[in-house]
Amino acid sequence: GIQVEQSPPDLILQEGANSTLRCNFSDSVNNLQWFHQNPWGQLINLFYIPSGTKQNGRLSATTVATERYSLLYISSSQTTDSGVYFCAVAPSGGYNKLIFGAGTRLAVHP
Amino acid sequence: DSGVTQTPKHLITATGQRVTLRCSPRSGDLSVYWYQQSLDQGLQFLIQYYNGEERAKGNILERFSAQQFPDLHSELNLSSLELGDSALYFCASSPGTVKTFFGQGTRLTVV
Repeated sequence: GIQVEQSPPDLILQEGANSTLRCNFSDSVNNLQWFHQNPWGQLINLFYIPSGTKQNGRLSATTVATERYSLLYISSSQTTDSGVYFCAVAPSGGYNKLIFGAGTRLAVHP
Repeated sequence: DSGVTQTPKHLITATGQRVTLRCSPRSGDLSVYWYQQSLDQGLQFLIQYYNGEERAKGNILERFSAQQFPDLHSELNLSSLELGDSALYFCASSPGTVKTFFGQGTRLTVV
């Protein structure tokens, strides 16, 4: 089956710093989403981005489907950005069944 | 608030027991998904329903079953529970092959 690898596994930042999280996937996909799991366990959908670039406030994401990777950019990080960031993909022809990476655990310190 | 409602939020039960987790999808979403999040396995897809019909199956144990009712709410039944079934169980819904919205999860503890 399709493999999803996220890097780095852990990231520690000072408030105000920028960061880039990466997601590599091993096969073609028709769906790629980024999620943030907050310290209370809630999974919040950040982006649906099977290709191209999107921006939402301090967050932006880029997916290069032909090269099978996606990047999530966090600018001017805040303590509320702490948590785990997951990349999830649905293989082409796999309905919308999402395969999750192991996540990047982000801690932002004041 | 994602619009996906799961009940109960927490559940503690003994080994060998059976529990039912309930999910109401976002208004208008025909697809419902169940996922399990555990420390050792991460977030894993269990099963998907679309408008009452099973659409896709993941690594769902035979002791687990699910259904989607005519009003589109879904239930996940877990039986003969084992300690290793302790996990966070998420329900999610989507209008199609686009954004997926997750409920707050049911934290199941088997003792």
